[in-house]
Amino acid sequence: NAGVTQTPKFQVLKTGQSMTLQCAQDMNHNSMYWYRQDPGMGLRLIYYSASEGTTDKGEVPNGYNVSRLNKREFSLRLESAAPSQTSVYFCASSRPRTIEIFYNSPLHFGNGTRLTVT
Amino acid sequence: DAKTTQPPSMDCAEGRAANLPCNHSTISGNEYVYWYRQIHSQGPQYIIHGLKNNETNEMASLIITEDRKSSTLILPHATLRDTAVYYCIVRAYSGGGADGLTFGKGTHLIIQP
Repeated sequence: NAGVTQTPKFQVLKTGQSMTLQCAQDMNHNSMYWYRQDPGMGLRLIYYSASEGTTDKGEVPNGYNVSRLNKREFSLRLESAAPSQTSVYFCASSRPRTIEIFYNSPLHFGNGTRLTVT
Repeated sequence: DAKTTQPPSMDCAEGRAANLPCNHSTISGNEYVYWYRQIHSQGPQYIIHGLKNNETNEMASLIITEDRKSSTLILPHATLRDTAVYYCIVRAYSGGGADGLTFGKGTHLIIQP
């Protein structure tokens, strides 16, 4: 049982290049999330997907797009990378969401993608 | 979301119990307290969560005060591998707004040999 798998683990881009960060979970979770973490700061939510076919902006969505490809996969795309997007990106998922169990559903995180934009 | 306050850092001797405090005095009745930890270079790891009763699992115990304004995470026999940043999070549902967990700066727990 792999949990949440992120690819690639490391990536270096030049300013203006594009790339897609991949995330897949095998826990049959409905909700998925993308966070970024910068040195000395906590994790900040970029986008989330409450269920297949829906996506919503989080705290810092500018410069990013997401696709919920199916129930298992949630990708994050940088169309034109900037040095300010140098960060560690974490994907997470949580189990099927209804209001009654929302609060009672931990998020499970992958081990991150370390992105450097030069 | 209710705000949490944690000490920035703590030390604990290996083999002893590590008690990590968290203040969440503005917590509301339907908000859970979650604890995560992050070991250097890894993703956050879920530890435990609770509403108002004390909780225990294979990793830790969570003690929530009766008024729910504070909680303590207890690692009963700390090992060097428990050195990490520990996050106390109060989880709220915002209706139409951003979902997920809001992470603060946490407590850097250092286990001393």
